Amino acid sequence: GDSVTQKEGLVTLTEGLPVMLNCTYQTIYSNAFLFWYVHYLNESPRLLLKSSTDNKRTEHQGFHATLHKSSSSFHLQKSSAQLSDSALYYCALRANTGANTGKLTFGHGTILRVHP
Amino acid sequence: GPKVLQIPSHQIIDMGQMVTLNCDPVSNHLYFYWYKQILGQQMEFLVNFYNGKVMEKSKLFKDQFSVERPDGSYFTLKIQPTALEDSAVYFCASSLYWGDYEQYFGPGTRLTVL
Repeated sequence: GDSVTQKEGLVTLTEGLPVMLNCTYQTIYSNAFLFWYVHYLNESPRLLLKSSTDNKRTEHQGFHATLHKSSSSFHLQKSSAQLSDSALYYCALRANTGANTGKLTFGHGTILRVHP
Repeated sequence: GPKVLQIPSHQIIDMGQMVTLNCDPVSNHLYFYWYKQILGQQMEFLVNFYNGKVMEKSKLFKDQFSVERPDGSYFTLKIQPTALEDSAVYFCASSLYWGDYEQYFGPGTRLTVL
């Protein structure tokens, strides 16, 4: 079945340094939608970025990611980390199976901790 | 932005009892989802519901699980009877449509089965 791998469980950074959270995926389907969700403590997970277009950079709230189908990757980046970026980040996949269900497959998540 | 509400936030019950988890989705959304997250593991898809029917369910959606949304009210997940392995956080989500439409998540219900 489909799978998403986020190899870092915890990333700790100093404020101002660049952020890169890794996400790779596996699916047998040629078309896939990739998402990054951010989950702050005591809140609901919410969508940060999404893409289905190969090699096109997508940006939102200072974060960006590019879907690379050749390497099955969708890494999340930000040029300069802020204290308020500290949260749990999930990468998720929706494979285009032809079934209109919207099922998401999530990675384990990466906790980002930004300190002064 | 649009919010999904979940009631209750915590529920503790004895094994074998019935439990109903309630979700108040975004008002104009048509697709509804439940995901399960066991402590330390990733969120996993349980079921997708549209137009009064289950569209897709995973292996985690056991026979003891059922979902419904009677008359446009709460979207509910019922577990009857509960088992110890049902202890988890259950997230409800809704979306206007499927595909790359954003799924809006609730804050989760933490279910503890003793």
